[in-house]
Amino acid sequence: KAGVTQTPRYLIKTRGQQVTLSCSPISGHRSVSWYQQTPGQGLQFLFEYFSETQRNKGNFPGRFSGRQFSNSRSEMNVSTLELGDSALYLCASSLGGPESGNTIYFGEGSWLTVV
Amino acid sequence: AQKITQTQPGMFVQEKEAVTLDCTYDTSDQSYGLFWYKQPSSGEMIFLIYQGSYDEQNATEGRYSLNFQKARKSANLVISASQLGDSAMYFCAMWAGGTSYGKLTFGQGTILTVHP
Repeated sequence: KAGVTQTPRYLIKTRGQQVTLSCSPISGHRSVSWYQQTPGQGLQFLFEYFSETQRNKGNFPGRFSGRQFSNSRSEMNVSTLELGDSALYLCASSLGGPESGNTIYFGEGSWLTVV
Repeated sequence: AQKITQTQPGMFVQEKEAVTLDCTYDTSDQSYGLFWYKQPSSGEMIFLIYQGSYDEQNATEGRYSLNFQKARKSANLVISASQLGDSAMYFCAMWAGGTSYGKLTFGQGTILTVHP
């Protein structure tokens, strides 16, 4: 069974640009969450989608947005990139979220460097 | 608010020995779940083990077991018979509350180094 797939794995962007990251969850999983990981702040929750609806959101500025498609694939977008957005972005999927007693599985992450 | 504390920034263990990674948590919710993940230098977050707050028995998954002490609010990970491939960062994480959809709160992590 295929795991969580994230693309691209590595990317370099310039300040002010925007970036879109993609996540394909495990087949059958309808909940997709996104996390940002930095050495200074650790792992921080961005948002969660279930059946194309955002159910939860972390404390990030509006430059960070996401969406989920009918096949449960998800994308996150960061506009007007800042140097501080350099991070590992992790996508996670589960059947219905941990609040339903479901295990959460992560992808390999997308390493974003902003120069 | 939920909080996870991992007090060991780094741990060293000899190959084939057992090691315990500490994790304490804080939440006012009665229903919660605790996870342990392994993160190698490649970045992937690998699921290891899960314990629900209402589970009466400690969770086990192969060489991994979770020492769940509810009254102490601790959820320590025990790795038996350590292998060189176990060297990685280990994170304890928690979800809590019925409306914390998809959200895990993570600790700062513990770097485990296994010596031959």
